Amino acid sequence: QVHLMQSGFEVKKPGSSVKVSCKASEVTFSKFQITWVRQAPGQGLEWMGGIIPVYGTKIYAQKLQGRVAFTADASTTTVYMELSSLRSDDTAVYYCARGDVHLDYWGQGAPVTVSS
Amino acid sequence: DIQMTQSPSSLSASVGDSVTLTCRASQSISAYLNWYQQKPGQAPRPLIHGVSSLQPGVPSRFSGSASPSGTDFTLTISSLQPEDFATYYCQQTYSNPRTFGQGTKVEIK
Repeated sequence: QVHLMQSGFEVKKPGSSVKVSCKASEVTFSKFQITWVRQAPGQGLEWMGGIIPVYGTKIYAQKLQGRVAFTADASTTTVYMELSSLRSDDTAVYYCARGDVHLDYWGQGAPVTVSS
Repeated sequence: DIQMTQSPSSLSASVGDSVTLTCRASQSISAYLNWYQQKPGQAPRPLIHGVSSLQPGVPSRFSGSASPSGTDFTLTISSLQPEDFATYYCQQTYSNPRTFGQGTKVEIK
């Protein structure tokens, strides 16, 4: 069974960093890309990029390049998204999803609020 | 970047109606077009991938199609049910960045 279980709600100060986790089943971790998508309050979906955990291959949205980093821990089948130099417009729900061409399973979302 | 434009932004319909949502790509994306449904407070739910392939468990009242140009796509919901009132997003996965449309909100009339 496919599960993508994400970490919980975070409140961060502007300029700080946040690290969101996405624990995947072993099959998902070993065979699929994990894609990250975020959604600001009342807004649409924004593709952030993805990582193929078994290879460590990553791709980032150019808009976030230099501020975002995806990592993977095979021992816990967990993928991480770290976003640094946080700004108020980074306030959003951050989703991990399985796949690349087709996102067929999604995590429940991790709300991140950036506020002073 | 490929721009995805959805229309209308919102629509009102009644239970039992048939509705058609449109998604236009700024360039040809072949058949790399997906549709997602999202309800408030929930993660997006995959509906259709590759223009017209239904995700397992998605009712057959949902269908997708494309024009020969590879730029115009439609999602049709025949006989709207109460659980279908939601926001629908298209996404192209032809090239990076994988862009989404801005969404179409289907509301109850």
